Amino acid sequence: SQQGEEDPQALSIQEGENATMNCSYKTSINNLQWYRQNSGRGLVHLILIRSNEREKHSGRLRVTLDTSKKSSSLLITASRAADTASYFCATNQAGTALIFGKGTTLSVSS
Amino acid sequence: GAVVSQHPSRVICKSGTSVKIECRSLDFQATTMFWYRQFPKKSLMLMATSNEGSKATYEQGVEKDKFLINHASLTLSTLTVTSAHPEDSSFYICSASQRASGNTIYFGEGSWLTVV
Repeated sequence: SQQGEEDPQALSIQEGENATMNCSYKTSINNLQWYRQNSGRGLVHLILIRSNEREKHSGRLRVTLDTSKKSSSLLITASRAADTASYFCATNQAGTALIFGKGTTLSVSS
Repeated sequence: GAVVSQHPSRVICKSGTSVKIECRSLDFQATTMFWYRQFPKKSLMLMATSNEGSKATYEQGVEKDKFLINHASLTLSTLTVTSAHPEDSSFYICSASQRASGNTIYFGEGSWLTVV
């Protein structure tokens, strides 16, 4: 089963621009996490935001969480070609499996 | 940090044969492991939850007789794809939950299965 949708499904930008991806989910959550996946590779954990947090930063990443709207956004600032990848949000409740969204494919051209 | 290792990373097998994928937690005990399947350009779909010493819990639509999951120890879970068909070709990823760190979940590197 999938938790929800990511928006947009695909995003193409130029280096230096910001990229914003949105994620919606359906059920109550313990936390929400964002992952990156390069083509044909495993997952790279980016950031975790707990259900009682509203915003979190990590380097060029900024994540927001709105539990009233059951949505989250991931902002990548000053994007680089190396940021080209698929990005997934995932949610779970304590002790349960992570359920992934459909993902956003980001393409950053130099 | 905690490490989860999957083996093999890539495997090619003939139709009708069975193939086993291993998922190991290298430096922690994982009472719960999860198996996912990912088709090209798609997201990860949860297949089953594996608890050490008990039967796996399969998600709706996943054939338990085709995808055999064994979690015989606190550091090893295996996924066996039985009587493989070309449509089973996919990327399989496991993850393990570390209770000692508040059920933090760690992912393996994934295994590419190609059935010819």
